[in-house]
Amino acid sequence: NAGVTQTPKFQVLKTGQSMTLQCAQDMNHEYMSWYRQDPGMGLRLIHYSVGAGITDQGEVPNGYNVSRSTTEDFPLRLLSAAPSQTSVYFCASSYSFRGTDTQYFGPGTRLTVL
Amino acid sequence: AQKVTQAQTEISVVEKEDVTLDCVYETRDTTYYLFWYKQPPSGELVFLIRRNSFDEQNEISGRYSWNFQKSTSSFNFTITASQVVDSAVYFCALSPSYNTNAGKSTFGDGTTLTVKP
Repeated sequence: NAGVTQTPKFQVLKTGQSMTLQCAQDMNHEYMSWYRQDPGMGLRLIHYSVGAGITDQGEVPNGYNVSRSTTEDFPLRLLSAAPSQTSVYFCASSYSFRGTDTQYFGPGTRLTVL
Repeated sequence: AQKVTQAQTEISVVEKEDVTLDCVYETRDTTYYLFWYKQPPSGELVFLIRRNSFDEQNEISGRYSWNFQKSTSSFNFTITASQVVDSAVYFCALSPSYNTNAGKSTFGDGTTLTVKP
């Protein structure tokens, strides 16, 4: 198993540009989520999905869009990048959406918005 | 609303010292889960432990031990005989177990542990 993979690892955008951060898992996990980590802070939940076709907002959803057309993939779209979105983005997955299940994290995408 | 507080921003110890990382949480849920994660300098997040709110037994795994006290809403993490490889940022997190709020983990801001040789 490759686990949770994220692409790209690094990305630089200009203000106003849009892009999609890719996340995929090969563990047949139902639950997937996106977090952002800002310097000196913990992770904050952006969006999450409890299964294909079902998504919901987390703590900081503004400026981001998600969809879940398959169990394996959960892309995160930045609609119009802003410097405030400069952060490290982590994708995570778990077998279900219960707190009992271990979350597996991807390696992260470091995004800089100029 | 959930909240996790890790009051210690940075801790520095010398190798072989014991060190305790504090975690205090707030939640209105009666059932919840607490987690500890390690983030080494390489940046990945590594799951360390999960604790059910109904289980207040302390847990030991090698040099790691966790003390969960529901009465004080704390879930502290102790590393015994610290090693340089323990240097990392450690995050405490809280997750509700109700389906309607499933997956909304709240993380603390992390404690940066530096273990000097």
